[in-house]
Amino acid sequence: DAGVIQSPRHEVTEMGQEVTLRCKPISGHDYLFWYRQTMMRGLELLIYFNNNVPIDDSGMPEDRFSAKMPNASFSTLKIQPSEPRDSAVYFCASSFGLAGAYEQYFGPGTRLTVT
Amino acid sequence: TQLLEQSPQFLSIQEGENLTVYCNSSSVFSSLQWYRQEPGEGPVLLVTVVTGGEVKKLKRLTFQFGDARKDSSLHITAAQPGDTGLYLCAVIIQGAQKLVFGQGTRLTINP
Repeated sequence: DAGVIQSPRHEVTEMGQEVTLRCKPISGHDYLFWYRQTMMRGLELLIYFNNNVPIDDSGMPEDRFSAKMPNASFSTLKIQPSEPRDSAVYFCASSFGLAGAYEQYFGPGTRLTVT
Repeated sequence: TQLLEQSPQFLSIQEGENLTVYCNSSSVFSSLQWYRQEPGEGPVLLVTVVTGGEVKKLKRLTFQFGDARKDSSLHITAAQPGDTGLYLCAVIIQGAQKLVFGQGTRLTINP
């Protein structure tokens, strides 16, 4: 089975540009999580969805960040406008069921560089 | 203030040596997880410990949950270059389906 798929794997953009990161969760999983990883702050949860509905977005840093899940097989994380401090690796993870948070499967990540 | 404190932050040792890394907190948890993250990849779950004092083994890796369920250790016997990676501990926040991670221990095993 394919794991969590993320695209692009690398993104380099200039400050002020819009960035869209994409995620395809594992088929059948009903939870989807977006994380950000930096050396300074480690791995942080940004937002998570259950059955395509956003449940907790308290980790989203500011209004420049938005996430959507239009269907069970696709999610996006958008940054508009991007800033250099957004440079990080962004991970998507998915899981199944009420105990899903205990068994999250991570994608390979998108390394974002904002210059 | 970090909920989970991992130590050491960095560890570089020779192949064949033994090592222990730690995950500490002042809070009590119902369970704790360990992940390994290799360069360019996402974290992969190694183990979940749920009972105070519990010991779990995964080949050369031994995981222990503290008696008071506030801390955990990971011991690697006869480390191999393939053990190189970032080791993260994580806990579930009660009442929410949220994982909180420690900062990790970056382990390098030199051939």
